[in-house]
Amino acid sequence: DTAVSQTPKYLVTQMGNDKSIKCEQNLGHDTMYWYKQDSKKFLKIMFSYNNKELIINETVPNRFSPKSPDKAHLNLHINSLELGDSAVYFCASSQEWLAGGSTDTQYFGPGTRLTVL
Amino acid sequence: GDSVTQMEGPVTLSEEAFLTINCTYTATGYPSLFWYVQYPGEGLQLLLKATKADDKGSNKGFEATYRKETTSFHLEKGSVQVSDSAVYFCARGGSNYKLTFGKGTLLTVNP
Repeated sequence: DTAVSQTPKYLVTQMGNDKSIKCEQNLGHDTMYWYKQDSKKFLKIMFSYNNKELIINETVPNRFSPKSPDKAHLNLHINSLELGDSAVYFCASSQEWLAGGSTDTQYFGPGTRLTVL
Repeated sequence: GDSVTQMEGPVTLSEEAFLTINCTYTATGYPSLFWYVQYPGEGLQLLLKATKADDKGSNKGFEATYRKETTSFHLEKGSVQVSDSAVYFCARGGSNYKLTFGKGTLLTVNP
């Protein structure tokens, strides 16, 4: 059984289009995340939701909008795609916070490779 | 703010060589520390973790010890295999509810 799944795996689109990436986790976790990985493999958090509530919103253009319909899903919608949005986007989930608020182990999806032409 | 500094790659080794990838972190609070591995074309997966000082995380022959005095969490393996070729990420948990990752180290192991 896949723990964290994302669709689609590959997404090729034209500049200016709007697209969505879906993420689902079947681990019963309370918290989900979106990360962007650039061509140099640098990984940066974009958003995090805990029990459907937004708790982390890094400096991300407002063309990116996360949507969490329930605890098991966190989708990412991107408006007016730009060349610089080309990257691999990873969804992740974790169960809870450890003592002191430190995050527990995060489980990652396989990634969605977005190419904007 | 929270940060993680790890050894820049790429690292190229022959099979059965000893591996060390250095990682240091900012000392704010008492973070949990992690090593994640990303095999080609895949997502990240947890390799090992340590939640308090002097803890040693280990998995698949890899080890890392949480050293509070040197704010380090270096990854080691005594004898690498070709199948260990991947990108390795050091990460720290933070009181701000997120993981902060290092920039990743690409390891290539040749037969």
